[in-house]
Amino acid sequence: LAKTTQPISMDSYEGQEVNITCSHNNIATNDYITWYQQFPSQGPRFIIQGYKTKVTNEVASLFIPADRKSSTLSLPRVSLSDTAVYYCLVVQEPGAGSYQLTFGKGTKLSVIP
Amino acid sequence: DSGVTQTPKHLITATGQRVTLRCSPRSGDLSVYWYQQSLDQGLQFLIQYYNGEERAKGNILERFSAQQFPDLHSELNLSSLELGDSALYFCASSVVGGARETQYFGPGTRLLVL
Repeated sequence: LAKTTQPISMDSYEGQEVNITCSHNNIATNDYITWYQQFPSQGPRFIIQGYKTKVTNEVASLFIPADRKSSTLSLPRVSLSDTAVYYCLVVQEPGAGSYQLTFGKGTKLSVIP
Repeated sequence: DSGVTQTPKHLITATGQRVTLRCSPRSGDLSVYWYQQSLDQGLQFLIQYYNGEERAKGNILERFSAQQFPDLHSELNLSSLELGDSALYFCASSVVGGARETQYFGPGTRLLVL
């Protein structure tokens, strides 16, 4: 079962690029890494998902090195509305049709004006 | 709005009691997940159902049980409640519950055990 580790908190000024790294050992070659964003009193919301190398969408980029022992969520030019908790999720398939879902403990990002 | 609904929004009960949390997935989604979120534990995966059948099990206590009904809504039953069960309980849904699928989370049920 994968164990995920993220920084507890990060601060950034508006307009800066923010990189949040999640370490995940015991990750298998077919396991995907997904990142979610959560605002207070709301359920988490999907941001981005990746398997290897780099994935980019309209809100973020995800970098996964070749050894896949970590992944980095990159938020370009953050604004105050990006203040939230960010979770990485590893979904593993140890057997056909069975899944293990492991969320990191979350990184609280505070964006400062 | 994710399209996932959960009821009730808030629940206050006493130790030893039993409660049922309800979740309706997004239209068309066949898979439902349950999570517990407490301050010191983060998001803990409890259990997943797909089209009425249990698909994956996480850190779900024996005092807790869940089921998914033919109309695809799901219920999480928590019994012999303890103070430590106070938490936010989230339901999420996805189309078929595959490892790569995006999960859509509901707004959560906040449970307070006194």
